[in-house]
Amino acid sequence: EAGVAQSPRYKIIEKRQSVAFWCNPISGHATLYWYQQILGQGPKLLIQFQNNGVVDDSQLPKDRFSAERLKGVDSTLKIQPAKLEDSAVYLCASTQRGGLPYNEQFFGPGTRLTVL
Amino acid sequence: AQSVAQPEDQVNVAEGNPLTVKCTYSVSGNPYLFWYVQYPNRGLQFLLKYITGDNLVKGSYGFEAEFNKSQTSFHLKKPSALVSDSALYFCAVRDLVNSGNTPLVFGKGTRLSVIA
Repeated sequence: EAGVAQSPRYKIIEKRQSVAFWCNPISGHATLYWYQQILGQGPKLLIQFQNNGVVDDSQLPKDRFSAERLKGVDSTLKIQPAKLEDSAVYLCASTQRGGLPYNEQFFGPGTRLTVL
Repeated sequence: AQSVAQPEDQVNVAEGNPLTVKCTYSVSGNPYLFWYVQYPNRGLQFLLKYITGDNLVKGSYGFEAEFNKSQTSFHLKKPSALVSDSALYFCAVRDLVNSGNTPLVFGKGTRLSVIA
């Protein structure tokens, strides 16, 4: 079974530029999550999708961050404009159909973003 | 709101010795508890979880964890450490208050170093 795919793996941009990250979850996984992991901290949920609908985006900085999952499969997370404090690893995860709270999440390798 | 504390940034143990990585949590309702491991340049991998029932949970790679409700703890243990266990370990909790869709909240992580 193929795992969660993310691209790019690394990205370096200057502040005020825009950037986009892509995620393809495990086949058949209806629930998709985006996390932000700042160095020295645990992952923090940014947004959760169930199919193509948003379940929780309460911690997404909506003035600069946006995410979509138009066809209920792959997803894109965008930052525009980027700030220095956005430097982090962005992790995508998915869970099995239903996204029940006790299901373990499967994580991709992440995208390491550096904002200069 | 739920929270997780991992009081140790770093744990060092000799190969073959038992290891313990500590985790305490705070929730309003009942918890779902998880342990994940992160190897360099890789995403998080699920180790084990507590949902209900037996307080001693066994997981991947010989790891186990004990749920202690009175002490609100969920420490990760292994009887005999291997050098290959060296990695970053995250404890995470989901609060089942009101059966709502609360996010998975991670601790800041504990770096385990197993010395040969």
